[in-house]
Amino acid sequence: TQLLEQSPQFLSIQEGENLTVYCNSSSVFSSLQWYRQEPGEGPVLLVTVVTGGEVKKLKRLTFQFGDARKDSSLHITAAQPGDTGLYLCAGKIQGAQKLVFGQGTRLTINP
Amino acid sequence: EAGVVQSPRYKIIEKKQPVAFWCNPISGHNTLYWYRQNLGQGPELLIRYENEEAVDDSQLPKDRFSAERLKGVDSTLKIQPAELGDSAVYLCASSLTATGGWADTQYFGPGTRLTVL
Repeated sequence: TQLLEQSPQFLSIQEGENLTVYCNSSSVFSSLQWYRQEPGEGPVLLVTVVTGGEVKKLKRLTFQFGDARKDSSLHITAAQPGDTGLYLCAGKIQGAQKLVFGQGTRLTINP
Repeated sequence: EAGVVQSPRYKIIEKKQPVAFWCNPISGHNTLYWYRQNLGQGPELLIRYENEEAVDDSQLPKDRFSAERLKGVDSTLKIQPAELGDSAVYLCASSLTATGGWADTQYFGPGTRLTVL
């Protein structure tokens, strides 16, 4: 059983479209992170959210942490081919130091 | 500044053979992590070091896996003997600390892709 469930697992859309990917859990997290991983590389941190309801923006990417700190979403506006990659959410359960990853959303943006 | 360095980048071996992976963390980072990433999955922690001490090895299959971090800098992860199910990408990451806040941001290396035939 995956502690962090990401959906969808695969997403292929056209350049210029908007999209949202989700990260859900029944556990409460003290913090939650989003990473992007490209083929042959390790994950690269995009953002960390720590407060319930927090919203952070990184250019065309908007990250939201759920009020109860059990879920998060990543919204991309006007997707570009350079956004293609594996998007991973990862969180630290309250009171623990271990970072737990979801299974990832593989995103493909077609020109 | 150099990132986390891992070698080799790729390794193909036959089952029952031994294999070792090497990691050089970012200079000054006290905490080092080894993860395994199976195809289509997120990384799973195998072991975490604070300096030279293994502080979380609960997910390391100790019958065939071993790791060391001599002098609290470089680290090696060994599998002996390898099994077909060990085929995966082995990622090393490092952070300044693991105590919370910005200082425990993990920086990942490119990984070693292991194929066991």
